[in-house]
Amino acid sequence: EDKVVQSPLSLVVHEGDTVTLNCSYEVTNFRSLLWYKQEKKAPTFLFMLTSSGIEKKSGRLSSILDKKELFSILNITATQTGDSAVYLCAFSNDYKLSFGAGTTVTVRA
Amino acid sequence: GAVVSQHPSWVICKSGTSVKIECRSLDFQATTMFWYRQFPKQSLMLMATSNEGSKATYEQGVEKDKFLINHASLTLSTLTVTSAHPEDSSFYICSAPRQGRTPNSPLHFGNGTRLTVT
Repeated sequence: EDKVVQSPLSLVVHEGDTVTLNCSYEVTNFRSLLWYKQEKKAPTFLFMLTSSGIEKKSGRLSSILDKKELFSILNITATQTGDSAVYLCAFSNDYKLSFGAGTTVTVRA
Repeated sequence: GAVVSQHPSWVICKSGTSVKIECRSLDFQATTMFWYRQFPKQSLMLMATSNEGSKATYEQGVEKDKFLINHASLTLSTLTVTSAHPEDSSFYICSAPRQGRTPNSPLHFGNGTRLTVT
């Protein structure tokens, strides 16, 4: 059975800290891995990763995929209170997304 | 701006009634749309795949007679929760891929509908 496991389940940091979120997966038909940020409403897209070892960056956020070890990391540097959210990773198989449980990040001022 | 519009944003209904949720792609056509459900403190779970002009495909454990899906046009899919019960209270979210993109294109999500059944 396909599964996506995120860790930690939650964490609390202070503004300016760096956060590293993990997503490991075991899937039979992998196309891509996606990261989303969810703040009370629907998820907003962050990254889509299809190739191993290529880091994607967007401002203070970056992500990388390791297809050999079957995991991905999402990094957030110089965190701000606006980064507080649930971060979801999901693997995609022909548009169908299977989500992990998410990591709740709380950034305190 | 938003590319997928979902309506209503929230709804409260009485047990036994039916509720319809609409999902529209705003500036593109979507032959396929997806409906997800999210219970409090849990992740999104795919309920069904809505296919324009044909029957929806339901995930295991999702009752097709309870969650009616209609995809009558290339820009609109509706989910009707029939004979709603308190345990159906949840956050329902639709998503759609832009037509013409590769299968790996990210999905666009609607803003979700918070359903509360009293």
